[in-house]
Amino acid sequence: GENVEQHPSTLSVQEGDSAVIKCTYSDSASNYFPWYKQELGKRPQLIIDIRSNVGEKKDQRIAVTLNKTAKHFSLHITETQPEDSAVYFCAATSFEGRLAFGKGNQVVVIP
Amino acid sequence: EPEVTQTPSHQVTQMGQEVILRCVPISNHLYFYWYRQILGQKVEFLVSFYNNEISEKSEIFDDQFSVERPDGSNFTLKIRSTKLEDSAMYFCATRRASYNEQFFGPGTRLTVL
Repeated sequence: GENVEQHPSTLSVQEGDSAVIKCTYSDSASNYFPWYKQELGKRPQLIIDIRSNVGEKKDQRIAVTLNKTAKHFSLHITETQPEDSAVYFCAATSFEGRLAFGKGNQVVVIP
Repeated sequence: EPEVTQTPSHQVTQMGQEVILRCVPISNHLYFYWYRQILGQKVEFLVSFYNNEISEKSEIFDDQFSVERPDGSNFTLKIRSTKLEDSAMYFCATRRASYNEQFFGPGTRLTVL
């Protein structure tokens, strides 16, 4: 089955700086790559996603890039703010829908 | 905006007891999933359900687990005889046909004593 690896496990950034989280996946059939933000004790919230026919997608301060050849995708957060502090999970799936998650990345934005 | 709901928010049970976790999907969603998250770990897939059948299940989803849609609105996960290691947050997720996005419920925290 699909195996998703996520690095680094913890990331601390100064407010206003950028944060980048990288994920790799194993199954070349995967074609959908969502990113979820999870605050402590709450549900995972979809923040951005990308499909395999697109190389990059941007939504305000958040962007995701996908390299299908290398089987990796990254989340970019620019101008970080304290409310960006959370755990971020990447995931991958084929159309059948079973999400395979990475281990998560704790992002800490230091005011 | 419609959301997936789950009940109860927290369930405490004794080892060996049966528990039923409930989910109410978003109304036009046809694909349903259960995931679990052990404290501090990643979210793990348990089972997917479509058209009143299990579509796929993981190795975690053994004979102690079952799912059903008893009344056309609720989607339930039953654990027949709970073990200590079943303690986790259980999330229901749903999606529409032809769309990839899965929307997660708030979760049920299961504590097995």
